[in-house]
Amino acid sequence: SYVLTQPPSVSVAPGKTARITCGGNNIGSKSVHWYQQKPGQAPVLVIYYDSDRPSGIPERFSGSNSGNTATLTISRVEAGDEADYYCQVWDSSSDHQVFGGGTKLTVL
Amino acid sequence: QITLKESGPTLVKPTQTLTLTCTFSGFSLSTSGVGVGWIRQPPGKALEWLALIYWDDDKRYSPSLKSRLTITKDTSKNQVVLTMTNMDPVDTATYYCAHGPGGQQLVYFDYWGQGTLVTVSS
Repeated sequence: SYVLTQPPSVSVAPGKTARITCGGNNIGSKSVHWYQQKPGQAPVLVIYYDSDRPSGIPERFSGSNSGNTATLTISRVEAGDEADYYCQVWDSSSDHQVFGGGTKLTVL
Repeated sequence: QITLKESGPTLVKPTQTLTLTCTFSGFSLSTSGVGVGWIRQPPGKALEWLALIYWDDDKRYSPSLKSRLTITKDTSKNQVVLTMTNMDPVDTATYYCAHGPGGQQLVYFDYWGQGTLVTVSS
């Protein structure tokens, strides 16, 4: 089955740029979606179709996808961005949804 | 405004069958391109996709849990029901339902319920 690999943790200072990766075999050929989850809360969609932002999501959140890696980029990181982030794709070979293992973003 | 809410037992015994209901508003599951999915999250662990039902009653299940899961919809009641048989303590998790637009194969989850914690213990 298709596997999505995320780093367990990423740390960044306030005001800097955080990049969270999501690795998968030829993931560039798939549509990648990203979710933010804060403690005790349901996940929130922050990026869909690789780089589209839902309404209400700040422009500081952006996404890219190429080759074997998709990336969620958060510019000008704020303390409120501290959360777990998950990537998600649809795996065509097995016809089901797959989530990555999640990345904990820590704002120093 | 789209909302979803999960309901069901908070505690089940091992080997029992879990039945969860997702009651939603703000959209119709008879609208082309719409789906409702179930996702769970064990305490302190990652999200795990379980099942998805589409507007045309097409269904998809997690390969690892397919034999234990059944997803159905009642369009008139705006509800989606997930049943999971032979529950085990490892199935202890928060269970979420979520709205999925984008049609088959491209679905993402843009609205989520608050989740319901299900504990499996004797």
